[in-house]
Amino acid sequence: GAVVSQHPSWVICKSGTSVKIECRSLDFQATTMFWYRQFPKQSLMLMATSNEGSKATYEQGVEKDKFLINHASLTLSTLTVTSAHPEDSSFYICSARGPGGVGEKLFFGSGTQLSVL
Amino acid sequence: DQQVKQNSPSLSVQEGRISILNCDYTNSMFDYFLWYKKYPAEGPTFLISISSIKDKNEDGRFTVFLNKSAKHLSLHIVPSQPGDSAVYFCAASETNGNEKLTFGTGTRLTIIP
Repeated sequence: GAVVSQHPSWVICKSGTSVKIECRSLDFQATTMFWYRQFPKQSLMLMATSNEGSKATYEQGVEKDKFLINHASLTLSTLTVTSAHPEDSSFYICSARGPGGVGEKLFFGSGTQLSVL
Repeated sequence: DQQVKQNSPSLSVQEGRISILNCDYTNSMFDYFLWYKKYPAEGPTFLISISSIKDKNEDGRFTVFLNKSAKHLSLHIVPSQPGDSAVYFCAASETNGNEKLTFGTGTRLTIIP
C-alpha cells in the first residue's frame, strides 16, 4: 500500500523554540494532507487540512499563526509549531489522501511525539 | 464534545474466539464509518468501512455492523488471532470517508494465546 513517512518520531525542545515536523508521501502524490493532534486519553483531533500550492484550512480553535503549515510540493507537507510551550506537548500525526477506493484513500504517518520542557 | 465514542479502552479475548469492538456516535450527519488498526510506533492503517446506506460489510475475518437508529457500530473479528492485538480506532465522516475524519479514543485489543 501507499506509504507516508513522518519525521521526526519524537522531539524534545525548550519552551519558546520552534519545531518542524515533516510528512512525506513516498510513492504517490498527495494534493491534500491532514494534520491531527492527540492528547493523552483523547481522540485524534483534526487540526488543519493542507492543500498543495494553497493556504491550509484550519479547524476551529487552532491558531494558524502558531501552527504553520506548508505544502509546497505534491509529496511534502510540514507543520511548524512556533514558540512552543508545554501545553503544546502532544502527539502529532499526518495523513495523506492517496490512491484507493472510497474510504481507503487516507494513509497515515507514524506520528511525532512532541515534548516541550 | 466527543462525537465518536469508544467506551471500552481495552478488551482481552482468547485466541480463536470472537472480538467485538463497539463505537457510538452522536452526529447524525455522519454517513461513512471506518475502522483503523494501529500497532505501536506505526500510524493507523485502514481496516474496513461501511456506508450509511448499508448495515453490514464483511471482509474476511472482519465484519462491521451499523445500526443507524441507535447510532452504533461494531467491529467483529472472528476468529481472533494474536496478530490482531492492536489499538482499534473508529472514525466517522460526513463526506464519503475521504475528507475530515472524526475519531474515537480507541480500544486496545489483546488476543490471549
